Amino acid sequence: QVTLKESGPALVRLTETLTLTCTFSGFSLNTPAMRVSWIRQTPGEALQWLARIDWDGQQLYSTPLQTRLTISKDASRNQVVLTMTNMDAVDTGTYYCARFDSSGYFDFWGQGTHVTVAS
Amino acid sequence: SYVLTQPPSVSVAPGQTAMIPCGGDNIVSKSVHWYQRKPGQAPVLVVYDDSGRPSGIPERFSGSNSGNTATLTISRVETGDEADYYCQVWESSRDYVFGTGTKVTVL
Repeated sequence: QVTLKESGPALVRLTETLTLTCTFSGFSLNTPAMRVSWIRQTPGEALQWLARIDWDGQQLYSTPLQTRLTISKDASRNQVVLTMTNMDAVDTGTYYCARFDSSGYFDFWGQGTHVTVAS
Repeated sequence: SYVLTQPPSVSVAPGQTAMIPCGGDNIVSKSVHWYQRKPGQAPVLVVYDDSGRPSGIPERFSGSNSGNTATLTISRVETGDEADYYCQVWESSRDYVFGTGTKVTVL
């Protein structure tokens, strides 16, 4: 059974750095073709893909956000970490992690964690 | 960047059919995937690669893709199908793009 769960601060101050952790089970990021992504939804906006990390360490970032994002993995702990710098109020929203299938879709998702950015 | 357009809402009576369009430029050239999201729950993949159905998803959920519109069809709608639905594709400039989302209301 594949499960993913996001964790991190519920409140982040303006200009600070957000750090989110995705803890998963039911698969290993040491296994070829395994990949994990982060996706978010901000108020009034569609879902937005943020970043992806692959079993071999390859990283992929959303073009408009790539300068602010870093994704990393600790395969031994079944965790993926996302950091986003210089947080702004428009970054307020729900952040999801999801397993990514090589065919191009996200086959399992976490429930999401809500982040509020305030001064 | 590539844009996927969905109607904000669709209303349907129980037992009827809901059709949710997802419009995009020449979307037929892409593989379209669909997700169901209920409040407070993890999103669920309901259709992949235009018309594939993951294990555990009822046959009532089906998909199609033609021209500039992909469509998610929910047959014999149940109250438990009330949720937000999103389409998604891989865009050639390396980003994954989601549709604007459609809220399905069961009357």
